[in-house]
Amino acid sequence: KAGVTQTPRYLIKTRGQQVTLSCSPISGHRSVSWYQQTPGQGLQFLFEYFSETQRNKGNFPGRFSGRQFSNSRSEMNVSTLELGDSALYLCASSLATGVGGYEQYFGPGTRLTVT
Amino acid sequence: AQKVTQAQTEISVVEKEDVTLDCVYETRDTTYYLFWYKQPPSGELVFLIRRNSFDEQNEISGRYSWNFQKSTSSFNFTITASQVVDSAVYFCCGSRLTFGEGTQLTVNP
Repeated sequence: KAGVTQTPRYLIKTRGQQVTLSCSPISGHRSVSWYQQTPGQGLQFLFEYFSETQRNKGNFPGRFSGRQFSNSRSEMNVSTLELGDSALYLCASSLATGVGGYEQYFGPGTRLTVT
Repeated sequence: AQKVTQAQTEISVVEKEDVTLDCVYETRDTTYYLFWYKQPPSGELVFLIRRNSFDEQNEISGRYSWNFQKSTSSFNFTITASQVVDSAVYFCCGSRLTFGEGTQLTVNP
């Protein structure tokens, strides 16, 4: 089975711009979660989608949004980029909702640099 | 609120030493799951183990073993006879998608 894929792998944007990141989960997985990883803050949970519905949300401002499509693929969008948004954005998929007993499988991440 | 605490930020050992990574999960949930993930230098997190709060049996997988104690909410991870390839950041995670800060393990030859 193919693993979780994320595109693009690297991205450089300027402050004020917006960005869209994409994630394709493992086939058959219906839950997709997004995380922000930075050296200072560790792994921070952004949100989780299951069956095209946002099921859980972390403590991030409204500039961070996401969606999930009927094929379980997910996108996250960050508007009005700030320097502090520079991070590795990780996508993870699981069979069902991640808030529970399902392990997550992570993609390689998208490295976003905001200048 | 849930909180995962990994007491050790960094651990450095010499190859073949045993090493234990600590994890404590604070939650009001009576039923919960705990996970360990490994993030090697390549960056991709890899799932290692899942344990539910009902099962306090220790688990062993090769050189890896896990000890869960519900009374202290601890889920510690031991690597026996460590190897250089074990060098990575190890994350403990609670069932509400809460990750600890991670422990950077460096195994020196």
